[in-house]
Amino acid sequence: DAGVIQSPRHEVTEMGQEVTLRCKPISGHNSLFWYRQTMMRGLELLIYFNNNVPIDDSGMPEDRFSAKMPNASFSTLKIQPSEPRDSAVYFCASSYRPGLAGGLSSYNEQFFGPGTRLTVL
Amino acid sequence: KQEVTQIPAALSVPEGENLVLNCSFTDSAIYNLQWFRQDPGKGLTSLLLIQSSQREQTSGRLNASLDKSSGRSTLYIAASQPGDSATYLCAVRMDSSYKLIFGSGTRLLVRP
Repeated sequence: DAGVIQSPRHEVTEMGQEVTLRCKPISGHNSLFWYRQTMMRGLELLIYFNNNVPIDDSGMPEDRFSAKMPNASFSTLKIQPSEPRDSAVYFCASSYRPGLAGGLSSYNEQFFGPGTRLTVL
Repeated sequence: KQEVTQIPAALSVPEGENLVLNCSFTDSAIYNLQWFRQDPGKGLTSLLLIQSSQREQTSGRLNASLDKSSGRSTLYIAASQPGDSATYLCAVRMDSSYKLIFGSGTRLLVRP
């Protein structure tokens, strides 16, 4: 398996522009996570999808951020309009959750993509 | 609120030395703890996952221990090599959550 795939790897844009980050999870995984990493705040969970449904978006900083998962093999994180303080590395991670019968304890190891380094000028 | 701390923030050692990285957490009600490695400009690579019922996990030259009651985990690296140079992060998952709560990492440099 190729692992979690993210694109683009680097993005430089100007303030006010729309930015779309893409993620392809590992085939067969049904949980997907978007994280943001900065020097000041470390790694923070932005949003979590299970079976393509957003379960928890409490980490999304504000309405300028939105995420979608139209199918099991693709997710996007969009920032519109972008601001310089959005500059960070954005990671996507996926894992397999057997199902509700397994309870919350059935969440398994998360596998991370290489990240997208976003710079907003 | 769970807080995860890693000490030291940075560590420089000569090649061949055995070393220990520390991770502490404030709430002992964790489900598991994961150690990751992050190379500059790269994503996170999972090294070891310890369930709350386990005391340690081993993979090659790496050994991770967990003392849930005291809120501590250590990552032991034997016979360190320059290729081990990276940032090492620990993350805990709580019993009631899918979220990983990360420490700020230890930046390791192994000098040839």
